[in-house]
Amino acid sequence: AQTVTQSQPEMSVQEAETVTLSCTYDTSESDYYLFWYKQPPSRQMILVIRQEAYKQQNATENRFSVNFQKAAKSFSLKISDSQLGDAAMYFCAYSDSNTGNQFYFGTGTSLTVIP
Amino acid sequence: EAGVAQSPRYKIIEKRQSVAFWCNPISGHATLYWYQQILGQGPKLLIQFQNNGVVDDSQLPKDRFSAERLKGVDSTLKIQPAKLEDSAVYLCASSLEFSFTDTQYFGPGTRLTVL
Repeated sequence: AQTVTQSQPEMSVQEAETVTLSCTYDTSESDYYLFWYKQPPSRQMILVIRQEAYKQQNATENRFSVNFQKAAKSFSLKISDSQLGDAAMYFCAYSDSNTGNQFYFGTGTSLTVIP
Repeated sequence: EAGVAQSPRYKIIEKRQSVAFWCNPISGHATLYWYQQILGQGPKLLIQFQNNGVVDDSQLPKDRFSAERLKGVDSTLKIQPAKLEDSAVYLCASSLEFSFTDTQYFGPGTRLTVL
């Protein structure tokens, strides 16, 4: 089975600063999707950003961007100009056509934003 | 557009009791997923439906867990009898089509505590 690894259980960032969350994955597939989800305390998980493996260009959504390194199987999330509302658990997820459409999630990174 | 609805939000039961969770996906979404999220871990897929048919239930502990999706809309997940290790958040998600490229939209989850 595919594995997704988030090696940073906890991270903190000063408000207005930039933080990068790491994610690595293991796969032998060439076509797959990667996702970053945000799960605020006691609230539902929402999609932050997604990346198709065939696209070389890194995805960007406002203050959120990814650094996708396909050869290294790395998919990090950069949050610029961090805001208090960014505090949450962040999960990296992987899917491909052979996984039956299920997502494989990492163990998450808890992000604290310091005022 | 209404999101994925789940109820109840919280449930506390004694071990060996039964419990049921309900999920209403986003209107028009063909695929529905149930995940189990144990504290400190990422969500793990239990079962997925396409319309009212089961696509994958390979990770569902069928001796105690059951799920159905009548008429291809709402879904119910049941645990009977519950064990201490079933304490977790049960997440329901839906996606528009049956494709690994589709974003999954998550509900708020049901937090189950088994005493």
